[in-house]
Amino acid sequence: GAVVSQHPSWVICKSGTSVKIECRSLDFQATTMFWYRQFPKQSLMLMATSNEGSKATYEQGVEKDKFLINHASLTLSTLTVTSAHPEDSSFYICSASLRQGANQPQHFGDGTRLSIL
Amino acid sequence: AQTVTQSQPEMSVQEAETVTLSCTYDTSENNYYLFWYKQPPSRQMILVIRQEAYKQQNATENRFSVNFQKAAKSFSLKISDSQLGDTAMYFCAFLPQGAQKLVFGQGTRLTINP
Repeated sequence: GAVVSQHPSWVICKSGTSVKIECRSLDFQATTMFWYRQFPKQSLMLMATSNEGSKATYEQGVEKDKFLINHASLTLSTLTVTSAHPEDSSFYICSASLRQGANQPQHFGDGTRLSIL
Repeated sequence: AQTVTQSQPEMSVQEAETVTLSCTYDTSENNYYLFWYKQPPSRQMILVIRQEAYKQQNATENRFSVNFQKAAKSFSLKISDSQLGDTAMYFCAFLPQGAQKLVFGQGTRLTINP
């Protein structure tokens, strides 16, 4: 149980395009999902906390107009990297917590490798 | 603010040996949760083990066990009879009670050699 699916796993696109990444909880409802960015050989950096039906909470230094987050249902959150540039190339990972409440372990998706040419 | 420190950037052991990864954290909270996550080369984050701060008994999951020292704010992970598949990045993480955001350590890259 507690499977999180992330799609796509790898995307390559031209500079200036927008890229959407989906994060789905397959067998549980997640009121809260998290979006992380990970640079090579580094730890996960939290970008934003996504709450179903409300605006996402962004971490300091993360541009909300650059990284659009939508959490329209209890099983789906999306991250859109708008007008992507080479510096946005990175590994993006989502996670979700079981709906029962806080203090639950986060279950992670497989991540999306984004490469901007 | 809470911080998590993993002082060993890299470790390497032979297959079947036992290895211990260290983690210390800083918090003024009394109730919280600690986790170890594994990230293999495939880069999927996998929950290895979890410890509740109010429990004195150390958590164990098969070959994985922790040494939780609350007073010292230490949470080390012991891997017994290490296997090649244990090769991965290991992240220690902290979650205050009632909070949602995990605080991650910098990670330890563990290599199991045949």
